Amino acid sequence: RKEVEQDPGPFNVPEGATVAFNCTYSNSASQSFFWYRQDCRKEPKLLMSVYSSGNEDGRFTAQLNRASQYISLLIRDSKLSDSATYLCVVSWGKLQFGAGTQVVVTP
Amino acid sequence: DAGVIQSPRHEVTEMGQEVTLRCKPISGHDYLFWYRQTMMRGLELLIYFNNNVPIDDSGMPEDRFSAKMPNASFSTLKIQPSEPRDSAVYFCASRRRGPRQNTEAFFGQGTRLTVV
Repeated sequence: RKEVEQDPGPFNVPEGATVAFNCTYSNSASQSFFWYRQDCRKEPKLLMSVYSSGNEDGRFTAQLNRASQYISLLIRDSKLSDSATYLCVVSWGKLQFGAGTQVVVTP
Repeated sequence: DAGVIQSPRHEVTEMGQEVTLRCKPISGHDYLFWYRQTMMRGLELLIYFNNNVPIDDSGMPEDRFSAKMPNASFSTLKIQPSEPRDSAVYFCASRRRGPRQNTEAFFGQGTRLTVV
């Protein structure tokens, strides 16, 4: 079993709609959680950290469920510019990345 | 701050040749990570250092791969001899230690390696 698992997608989302997806992790000792965004042929960049109580950054909401060992990302009012691959990252010293979830926002 | 700097940006080499990838982390960061990314396998952690000391190299594919961090501002990833299946984008990332390790990692722009 992979340490961090994500649905690869693609999630095809009409502009203005809401999309949500999860990421599961296997190491219960994980301490930090992040969502990164990666555009085609670019390096991954931090989208947002994920805090225990859940957190929001504009149209993006992240949640953490330690009991079930998953984190989630919700994007509201999707924009064309949100099209990218979203990488789940779990840290217990090393940073372990999921394979990414591809989101395609269509006009 | 210039961010994480990797060189070269692109490398094309013949099978059997030695390849050296270079990384300069962000000043003050004490963790450095080397990743490899391919379409098939996604982003794989190869090795990471803390305070210049290798902590976990379990992701290094085989003995042909080696990594060093002689000081806090420089690291290399070497492949000798290179093979076509090593073709990938290699990323270096660095982070500083924070409370409960909840600090983000910053990535370099990557080295696109093609072995022919």
